[in-house]
Amino acid sequence: SQQGEEDPQALSIQEGENATMNCSYKTSINNLQWYRQNSGRGLVHLILIRSNEREKHSGRLRVTLDTSKKSSSLLITASRAADTASYFCATAAGATDSWGKLQFGAGTQVVVTP
Amino acid sequence: DAGVTQSPTHLIKTRGQQVTLRCSPKSGHDTVSWYQQALGQGPQFIFQYYEEEERQRGNFPDRFSGHQFPNYSSELNVNALLLGDSALYLCASSLAGGETQYFGPGTRLLVL
Repeated sequence: SQQGEEDPQALSIQEGENATMNCSYKTSINNLQWYRQNSGRGLVHLILIRSNEREKHSGRLRVTLDTSKKSSSLLITASRAADTASYFCATAAGATDSWGKLQFGAGTQVVVTP
Repeated sequence: DAGVTQSPTHLIKTRGQQVTLRCSPKSGHDTVSWYQQALGQGPQFIFQYYEEEERQRGNFPDRFSGHQFPNYSSELNVNALLLGDSALYLCASSLAGGETQYFGPGTRLLVL
């Protein structure tokens, strides 16, 4: 079963626009991570936010986390055609030795047109 | 610095056969996790290996088994293949207790 659910399932924008996607999860977490996947290939780690953090930035990426609502959002600013990919949130929960078990949502498919 | 590598890239098998997939972790990493990703879905955790032992397991039947070697590389074995086993199999490596996992390119398995 999926821990997280991304919203929307698909997003189509033009270059230069911002893209926002949301993730909701069900159980308490230690951290939440966002990954990108191009055309069914391997996942690339984008950013990690811990449960005691509310916002984090990395380049054109901004992630927020609201543990009271069990939700997170990923904002990509000034999108580029190369940002076209599927984006997944993944949560890690439990004791330290269980951090390896990431639970993924179904992903948001983003298409950026020139 | 080599990242996570997986072999083969693609594989076609028939129902009932057995398959072995291989993974070499990122240099310096000692923990390997395996995930199954069906088309249009997010990855599902299969199991994790550390110190040559299975440390955690997801909700997968015993047909799925694995192994980790002293050099930290790992194998995923699936017996008695079913059509539903068709998926992208992803390997991820990390340091023990590390929060970030680094994924390989995956092996795409098609069961006919």
